[in-house]
Amino acid sequence: DTAVSQTPKYLVTQMGNDKSIKCEQNLGHDTMYWYKQDSKKFLKIMFSYNNKELIINETVPNRFSPKSPDKAHLNLHINSLELGDSAVYFCASSTRTVETQYFGPGTRLLVL
Amino acid sequence: GQNIDQPTEMTATEGAIVQINCTYQTSGFNGLFWYQQHAGEAPTFLSYNVLDGLEEKGRFSSFLSRSKGYSYLLLKELQMKDSASYLCAVIPGYSSASKIIFGSGTRLSIRP
Repeated sequence: DTAVSQTPKYLVTQMGNDKSIKCEQNLGHDTMYWYKQDSKKFLKIMFSYNNKELIINETVPNRFSPKSPDKAHLNLHINSLELGDSAVYFCASSTRTVETQYFGPGTRLLVL
Repeated sequence: GQNIDQPTEMTATEGAIVQINCTYQTSGFNGLFWYQQHAGEAPTFLSYNVLDGLEEKGRFSSFLSRSKGYSYLLLKELQMKDSASYLCAVIPGYSSASKIIFGSGTRLSIRP
């Protein structure tokens, strides 16, 4: 059973395109996150949702918009993709914000 | 500001013991995590410390000193599969909007 799943696993696209990444967790957790891991392997939080409510919104360009249709899903939509958006994007979930986080397998985004 | 420091790279020998240090300066403290991340994979939870002292879990132990802003991860009886990055992460605050801050990770290489 997959605890935290993401689709797609790989995403190669052209600059200027719009793309979405989906995340689902079946752990019954209340809190979900999006992280970006760049080429230097620095893992940085982008957004956090608790019970479908946005609670953390880091300094991220407006081109990135998260959407949480329900507690088990947190999707990430990216408009007008830029070269610098190339990274691995990880979704994660936890029971609460100060609890252990469980990560999805990551989505490797390459913008050409 | 918030800062987490850990060595960038370490090398150790199979069967030996290695200690990975982490120091942090954060405004508030609500727990420290260690995660393991193999190349191309998602981070996975190793340990959580919120009180001072040593937490042992099989071959892995984690130590915390809150007064010194210091933690270490101790890996015993090293195996080749322990070659991975080890991420130290701190939750600095107490509110539901507290976010976890990750260090840049220590890449551990195990040689035969």
